[in-house]
Amino acid sequence: GENVEQHPSTLSVQEGDSAVIKCTYSDSASNYFPWYKQELGKGPQLIIDIRSNVGEKKDQRIAVTLNKTAKHFSLHITETQPEDSAVYFCAASFHYGNNRLAFGKGNQVVVIP
Amino acid sequence: DVKVTQSSRYLVKRTGEKVFLECVQDMDHENMFWYRQDPGLGLRLIYFSYDVKMKEKGDIPEGYSVSREKKERFSLILESASTNQTSMYLCASSFKAGRYGYTFGSGTRLTVV
Repeated sequence: GENVEQHPSTLSVQEGDSAVIKCTYSDSASNYFPWYKQELGKGPQLIIDIRSNVGEKKDQRIAVTLNKTAKHFSLHITETQPEDSAVYFCAASFHYGNNRLAFGKGNQVVVIP
Repeated sequence: DVKVTQSSRYLVKRTGEKVFLECVQDMDHENMFWYRQDPGLGLRLIYFSYDVKMKEKGDIPEGYSVSREKKERFSLILESASTNQTSMYLCASSFKAGRYGYTFGSGTRLTVV
């Protein structure tokens, strides 16, 4: 099955700086890559996603880039704010049907005021 | 606003009890999933369902069963709760066709004493 690795496990950044989280995946047929943000005491929420026919997607302060050749994708958060502190999960689709996702283990981002 | 609703935020049960965790979605999604989340282990899939009365084992099904009698409802059952089942349980749903992200519930924090 699909295997998704997420690095680093913990990331601390100063408020205003940028944060980057990288994920690698194993299945070259994967074609959908969502990112989730989980705040304390809540379920994960979809914040941005990218499909394999696109190399980059941006939504305000967050962006995702995809390198299909290297089989990795990254989440970029610019001008970080304290409310960006959360656990972030990347995921990649299984290549066979029924819309299964494989998740990375998560990344704790801490924004230091 | 579309949502996935988990019936309890916090539960405390005794060892050996039969425990039911309920999940309801209002988006007419075909797929539903149960995950458990533990520190350092990410999201681990317990069971999933592609359709009514249909279920498939995930990565850690031992000690659990599920029921999906109606499309909108997916129940997780701990037949005889044990202390190692103390965890955060997350329900999610998604469309079957195509590649779309999951919508997660807020989670149920289960403590088995």
